[in-house]
Amino acid sequence: QSALTQPASVSGSPGQSITISCTGTSSDVGSYNLVSWYQQHPGKAPKLMIYEGSKRPSGVSNRFSGSKSGNTASLTISGLQAEDEADYYCCSYAGSSTYVVFGGGTKLTVL
Amino acid sequence: QVQLQESGPGLVKPSQTLSLTCTVSGGSISSGDYYWSWIRQPPGKGLEWIGYIYYSGSTYYNPSLKSRVTISVDTSKNQFSLKLSSVTAADTAVYYCARVLLLSHGMDVWGQGTTVTVSS
Repeated sequence: QSALTQPASVSGSPGQSITISCTGTSSDVGSYNLVSWYQQHPGKAPKLMIYEGSKRPSGVSNRFSGSKSGNTASLTISGLQAEDEADYYCCSYAGSSTYVVFGGGTKLTVL
Repeated sequence: QVQLQESGPGLVKPSQTLSLTCTVSGGSISSGDYYWSWIRQPPGKGLEWIGYIYYSGSTYYNPSLKSRVTISVDTSKNQFSLKLSSVTAADTAVYYCARVLLLSHGMDVWGQGTTVTVSS
């Protein structure tokens, strides 16, 4: 059982927007603005899409955005494209004894 | 452009020690701006953080694996390594190494991953 809770799957049609939630606790997501999001295509290594909750690394499309409210972080993908179909994982810093926790992952299907 | 490459045996027997190395190219592992991390992914499952190391040798481990994990760094070879002892079939996974932004803990560069199977 993962420390952070994500929906197992979400889906959307091309051009639509979807949001993936990531629920933690006051010991991780709620206490630190250090949530990151990763995209993973089958058989590939994860790719950093969002860090520090809402920052995008260079080269990541501005269709990807992150936010946080309380103990829940969210990843929003706007203008869905076929290439966005992948697994998405959230990750949070969790303090100086646990350090890092991942969510269980969400499979995004572009219909 | 920094690249990471995992290497090590693809098959380990139960109760033995899994040993992997991550070689960093295109940048120095001694940069003070990063941690260096190991993450694993069992077949069909999600990501699990194993631990970090800083170039100075400071280590940070997943509490659930801490008793079996050792991460070390060799700055002269620009490499860091993972040892996981007393392995079982549950340790079968793709093992990734990654560079971690020091302040944000975002893992911004990943190796391609290496599959390790625990079986007799």
